[in-house]
Amino acid sequence: QVQLVESGGGVVQPGRSLRLSCEASGFTFSMYAMHWVRQAPGKGLEWVAIISNDGTIKYSADSVKGRFTISRDNSRNTLYLQMNSLRPEDTAVFYCARDNRMGHGYSYGFSNWGQGTLVTVSS
Amino acid sequence: DIQMTQSPSSLSASVGDRVTITCRASQTISNYLSWYQQKPGKAPKLLIYLASSLQSGVPSRFSGSGSGTDFTLTISSLQPEDFATYYCQQTYTTPLFGPGTKVDIK
Repeated sequence: QVQLVESGGGVVQPGRSLRLSCEASGFTFSMYAMHWVRQAPGKGLEWVAIISNDGTIKYSADSVKGRFTISRDNSRNTLYLQMNSLRPEDTAVFYCARDNRMGHGYSYGFSNWGQGTLVTVSS
Repeated sequence: DIQMTQSPSSLSASVGDRVTITCRASQTISNYLSWYQQKPGKAPKLLIYLASSLQSGVPSRFSGSGSGTDFTLTISSLQPEDFATYYCQQTYTTPLFGPGTKVDIK
């Protein structure tokens, strides 16, 4: 079955960096676009970034543009989120999610999610 | 930029009730609209995609409709496990979630 396992969260000071990982299994990772989504404590869902199945196309939310970078290693079935210049308002549970659609094109939603990893930005 | 709204923001209902949640986009998104259910401390679960397609494994009491800018999620007969927060999401442009609708017990 499809499994997504995030890691790399923790407590970090403002201005510092952190890299999240998401290890995928149970499906052909290289066939699907992948996403990062975050949820601040007690708040709603915020899409963060997308990377195409082959890693050639990336988009990110305005709130993280220039600070966060999404990447993937299809040989390791792993998705990454490099987060630089972290701010207190970045404090959230970060989820990786698989797109519901194979290949390129408009997303059909996010069919599978990891359990989330908590990032806390605080001095 | 597209904006997403949901109504109501919360509702109280009883087991067996028919529940309808509305989602509106500020401009047309065709049918690129998904619905998710999220329970406290858990990851969201995809219920409906492309406005009306039921995700595999999701009970048939959940249904979605709409196109363009106005969409609805209907739960035909609310079950105890359905008390949760529901989010719509557009994927016509870079993905954007609605603010959520919390469904709790009356």
